Amino acid sequence: DSGVTQTPKHLITATGQRVTLRCSPRSGDLSVYWYQQSLDQGLQFLIQYYNGEERAKGNILERFSAQQFPDLHSELNLSSLELGDSALYFCASSVRGGTGSYNEQFFGPGTRLTVL
Amino acid sequence: EDQVTQSPEALRLQEGESSSLNCSYTVSGLRGLFWYRQDPGKGPEFLFTLYSAGEEKEKERLKATLTKKESFLHITAPKPEDSATYLCAVQGPGDYKLSFGAGTTVTVRA
Repeated sequence: DSGVTQTPKHLITATGQRVTLRCSPRSGDLSVYWYQQSLDQGLQFLIQYYNGEERAKGNILERFSAQQFPDLHSELNLSSLELGDSALYFCASSVRGGTGSYNEQFFGPGTRLTVL
Repeated sequence: EDQVTQSPEALRLQEGESSSLNCSYTVSGLRGLFWYRQDPGKGPEFLFTLYSAGEEKEKERLKATLTKKESFLHITAPKPEDSATYLCAVQGPGDYKLSFGAGTTVTVRA
């Protein structure tokens, strides 16, 4: 158990809909990262938040957005869903933004999104 | 852009048969190289971080090594419970994201 929690575990929805994925980082971790894992693309970085502020962005679609709240939990919002958005979505956390000896990112169990 | 290539894609081993996984990387200034283990449908589990060429780290039957261009994950006398996908990732300078390879799926038969 990494200490990172994600809800829900599974999500089944229809094209065009909007969903929210939630992540709670490990106690004491300030950074939250979101990754998407699909069969053809592997694990891809989407976005990072550090202590409530956006720190880095990957190839995140404009239909996707995220935020980190004062209690450090984070939400990933996916809208206008398409079939190709079906994937595993992982949240990871680290102590800092990624510097020094506290680089390690610890991953949650993931949310499996199925878009029908 | 950071690039990570893992080989082989899949590895089938007999219990006790040692082997190595390769991770080749291209990054302008490596901040860290990370190894993770992932079981089907689960989140990646952190194994090691390596920071500089020549560094080695061990955990049970696993040993990770790092050169300037690649990293190896050695599995010594594997057991069936070592069956998993092993992922390699790099972090570049001024960069917080992890760039992952496609992984090596290891199957250990009893």
